[in-house]
Amino acid sequence: DIQMTQSPSTLSASVGDRVTITCRASQSISIWLAWYQQKPGKAPKLLIYKASSLESGVPSRFSGSGSGTEFTLSISSLQPDDFATYYCQQYNLDSRTFGQGTKVEIK
Amino acid sequence: EVQLLESGGGLVQPGGSLRLSCAASGFTFSSYAMSWVRQAPGKGLAWVSGISNSGGSTYYADSVKGRFTISRDNSKNTLSLQMNSLRAEDTAVYYCAKDKGSSAMSIDYWGQGTLVSVSS
Repeated sequence: DIQMTQSPSTLSASVGDRVTITCRASQSISIWLAWYQQKPGKAPKLLIYKASSLESGVPSRFSGSGSGTEFTLSISSLQPDDFATYYCQQYNLDSRTFGQGTKVEIK
Repeated sequence: EVQLLESGGGLVQPGGSLRLSCAASGFTFSSYAMSWVRQAPGKGLAWVSGISNSGGSTYYADSVKGRFTISRDNSKNTLSLQMNSLRAEDTAVYYCAKDKGSSAMSIDYWGQGTLVSVSS
């Protein structure tokens, strides 16, 4: 199975900060990577698909990049609504795997 | 508006069985792959199983292979997950999820989840 490793596990930041989360795959997944945001007690929300495509309705401050085994999610200017947990997910081949999550906390 | 409504969760003893259902509406169900994703209390997301739009291809996480069976009824817009030989570690909120395409893709819509508790 393909393993996905996110870093950091927790990130403390302030409103207005630029934030970057990294996700590494144990083998190449081309561009078959998605990013999700989840708030407590809620279902996840798709932010980015195919590594860098912004889902409809998602603010442009969110961006994704990468291919192969290394990917990043960036938030250009952190807003109060962005404090949440973020997950990457690979969907290469016949299985999917999520990263362990990155919690973005208020500094 | 896309809606995914899960049902069938509850408390079950170890070794028991449970069948989850998901009623889908607001999109052409037969055109999209579907998935089940779970989240244990206080833990991260874990993909459980997926099925192609036609139902002809099914996929499972190693942790549930041989115990869980995913199926769909495109005439009734319903997704199901039959869970047998349940273990304590299967305790989680189970989400029904819609893929962006007809085969393995990212997930663009999620249900609100149904809680499965495995305990004696």
